[in-house]
Amino acid sequence: EADIYQTPRYLVIGTGKKITLECSQTMGHDKMYWYQQDPGMELHLIHYSYGVNSTEKGDLSSESTVSRIRTEHFPLTLESARPSHTSQYLCASSELHRGSSREQYFGPGTRLTVT
Amino acid sequence: GESVGLHLPTLSVQEGDNSIINCAYSNSASDYFIWYKQESGKGPQFIIDIRSNMDKRQGQRVTVLLNKTVKHLSLQIAATQPGDSAVYFCAELSAGGTSYGKLTFGQGTILTVHP
Repeated sequence: EADIYQTPRYLVIGTGKKITLECSQTMGHDKMYWYQQDPGMELHLIHYSYGVNSTEKGDLSSESTVSRIRTEHFPLTLESARPSHTSQYLCASSELHRGSSREQYFGPGTRLTVT
Repeated sequence: GESVGLHLPTLSVQEGDNSIINCAYSNSASDYFIWYKQESGKGPQFIIDIRSNMDKRQGQRVTVLLNKTVKHLSLQIAATQPGDSAVYFCAELSAGGTSYGKLTFGQGTILTVHP
């Protein structure tokens, strides 16, 4: 069982609010990822990190930002939420080696609704 | 650009039958092809992968086939059980370029197993 956690699981928030989605893992993995997923659709990488103080933008443009101050923690922040941000956000982690990226451990996701 | 997609969006089978889920990919420059399973309310879970220099790999009740000639990937599940009901995603691990070491996910296939 993967030890990666996301909070909150569900969030309904009004337009313009600042939100932070939390993600923590206890596996000591160096690489962490954030994906955006609409129901039944493919996952789109929005941010990733190779380790502490490393953050990179993914393939899908996102208005969110991330930070990696500790190995186990990779929060995602939206400064001003909009209805277009409504989606499911999935956090994942893997070991550092490139080949290890194929086996990523996912959290349960945060379903965000912006009204 | 790179894309990974599935032929069939839904598949319904009877318990005990074998299931075959298909996937087409367009990017030949990848090291690994991977299958993930996503149950309702959960994040995706790694099932099995295959390296690009192989054409078949077997796991427990699952077999992945890779046909590089036609850029086709399939997942076979033997003796399908109700617990196999989920959305299945194929993904590829990029070998180089700007997508180095990143997973690209295809659209999911919903597998429903009837008792």
